[in-house]
Amino acid sequence: QVQLQESGPGLVKPSQTLSLTCTVSGGSISSGSYYWSWIRQPAGKGLEWIGRIYTSGSTNYNPSLKSRVTISVDTSKNQFSLKLSSVTAADTAVYYCASHPPLLRAFDIWGQGTMVTVSS
Amino acid sequence: QSALTQPASVSGSPGQSITISCTGTSSDVGGYNYVSWYQQHPGKAPKLMIYEVSNRPSGVSNRFSGSKSGNTASLTISGLQAEDEADYYCSSYTSSSTTFGGGTKLTVL
Repeated sequence: QVQLQESGPGLVKPSQTLSLTCTVSGGSISSGSYYWSWIRQPAGKGLEWIGRIYTSGSTNYNPSLKSRVTISVDTSKNQFSLKLSSVTAADTAVYYCASHPPLLRAFDIWGQGTMVTVSS
Repeated sequence: QSALTQPASVSGSPGQSITISCTGTSSDVGGYNYVSWYQQHPGKAPKLMIYEVSNRPSGVSNRFSGSKSGNTASLTISGLQAEDEADYYCSSYTSSSTTFGGGTKLTVL
């Protein structure tokens, strides 16, 4: 059973780049066909899809964040990563990594989430 | 890419049934049968409850069911139990993006 675990700094300064990593355990990120996504949730608010990367490396991003987001895969470390540039307080949220096989089209595996605060 | 529209809150008594609606457009909910529903308890990650409008993943109670008509999808929970109290989110998947609803807080009275 594949499991996901987010990691990264819990505090980021305004205008800097937020960087998070999701480690995949219980399976290889490069075997099989999966979509690997990032989703965030500000405190007390709803879920917002950030973007996804396919096993092949192709990506899709939320249009509202596209100019600031990069999602990549590191097969040697069995990880995928999120970089969000020029952050502001509005980017403060719990960040989840999630995945699904392409034919499911729904997130069946989630990480536990990691809180990121943007503050000086 | 606008968020899908859900009621902010619904409530019901144990044993009753409730329905949560999720309204989108012909470009998302109405255009694809890729609507899913997630349950989220406080401080926890969301859990997939329904996928492709009406399918339940293994292990999800058959008290949860989904449907769709036009641009509106619905989640029905029958035989309400105290453990069903949570936030529920709908989601619509397309080939280029995923959109979530604003979430509905279910209170079991």
